[in-house]
Amino acid sequence: DSGVTQTPKHLITATGQRVTLRCSPRSGDLSVYWYQQSLDQGLQFLIQYYNGEERAKGNILERFSAQQFPDLHSELNLSSLELGDSALYFCASSVEGQSTDTQYFGPGTRLTVL
Amino acid sequence: TQLLEQSPQFLSIQEGENLTVYCNSSSVFSSLQWYRQEPGEGPVLLVTVVTGGEVKKLKRLTFQFGDARKDSSLHITAAQPGDTGLYLCAGARDYKLSFGAGTTVTVRA
Repeated sequence: DSGVTQTPKHLITATGQRVTLRCSPRSGDLSVYWYQQSLDQGLQFLIQYYNGEERAKGNILERFSAQQFPDLHSELNLSSLELGDSALYFCASSVEGQSTDTQYFGPGTRLTVL
Repeated sequence: TQLLEQSPQFLSIQEGENLTVYCNSSSVFSSLQWYRQEPGEGPVLLVTVVTGGEVKKLKRLTFQFGDARKDSSLHITAAQPGDTGLYLCAGARDYKLSFGAGTTVTVRA
């Protein structure tokens, strides 16, 4: 158990819909990262937050958005969902969000878009 | 296109054999990390290497970071069935981690 929690574990929805994935970091970690893992693209970095502020952006689509709240939990919002958005979405957290930090990954949310 | 190329993509060996996984890139990274991921779970960090030429040993696992900080290798000695999993390398630069596609290792008893 990494100490990072993600809900829900599974999500099945239809194209065009909007969903919200939730992540609670490990106690004491200030930085949260979101990743997407699919069979054809592998594990892709989406976005990083540090203490409520966006720090780095990766290959995140404009239909996707995220935020980190004052209590440090984070949400990833996916809208106008397409079949290709079906994937595992991981949240990770680290103490300070530095490149050499250990990132602790949550168990993931499996999103299926039908 | 992956920033980090891992090889081989799949590796199946007998218990007790040795194996090496390679991670190559044309980019320079501030650090390189190796993770292992089991089905249905998130990746778990094995090691972070920071200095070019650095070698780290963790029991039967040996990690090496290339002199130019562009490539790395993971060597497992006397592999055991418990070493089975997806091994991912990840390069860190500008707060971002770029992952390789992974090497699926299967160790047969």
